[in-house]
Amino acid sequence: DGGITQSPKYLFRKEGQNVTLSCEQNLNHDAMYWYRQDPGQGLRLIYYSQIVNDFQKGDIAEGYSVSREKKESFPLTVTSAQKNPTAFYLCASSVDGSHKGYTFGSGTRLTVV
Amino acid sequence: KQEVTQIPAALSVPEGENLVLNCSFTDSAIYNLQWFRQDPGKGLTSLLLIQSSQREQTSGRLNASLDKSSGRSTLYIAASQPGDSATYLCAVSPSGGSYIPTFGRGTSLIVHP
Repeated sequence: DGGITQSPKYLFRKEGQNVTLSCEQNLNHDAMYWYRQDPGQGLRLIYYSQIVNDFQKGDIAEGYSVSREKKESFPLTVTSAQKNPTAFYLCASSVDGSHKGYTFGSGTRLTVV
Repeated sequence: KQEVTQIPAALSVPEGENLVLNCSFTDSAIYNLQWFRQDPGKGLTSLLLIQSSQREQTSGRLNASLDKSSGRSTLYIAASQPGDSATYLCAVSPSGGSYIPTFGRGTSLIVHP
């Protein structure tokens, strides 16, 4: 079955560490997105990519970095510059940038210890 | 900037009731509107996608309507069941530009037996 796989499901980070969250899709979707979800808040866009080797900052890109070397993969790195990284991270994809609807992964919960 | 509001924020009902969840948006220049379901600690599951040219979409016990001129969408759930308990989010994609959607904060629904 086609879908989006996020790993790991749970991730713990020490202060000052960089961590990378994985997102892989086999839907042949062109566009991929990273969102952050905090309790009581809506989804906030971190980065998005509409084509391989290109990506754009979203509303809260500071302290995060991404790459899009393959169509299927869009990893997110949470750097030590992100001061409040504890959150639920969601990856999504769509057929193309014109958005015929989104498909989401199951999420990664990141906790700073 | 598009703003998406969902009312009510939380809802608790007995099993069997018919429900209406509301989503309002400030900019009527939209490309589409999508309703999602999110279970605790999980990703988002797409329920219904309404294109800007459509007035409603139906899937099983769910019916979503769209009134662009008034900036409103409603999600109707017929004969609610305890398994419907979840958070329901709407996402509005603008026409033109990057089509990046704006999400509401969701309605948390509990259906008790």
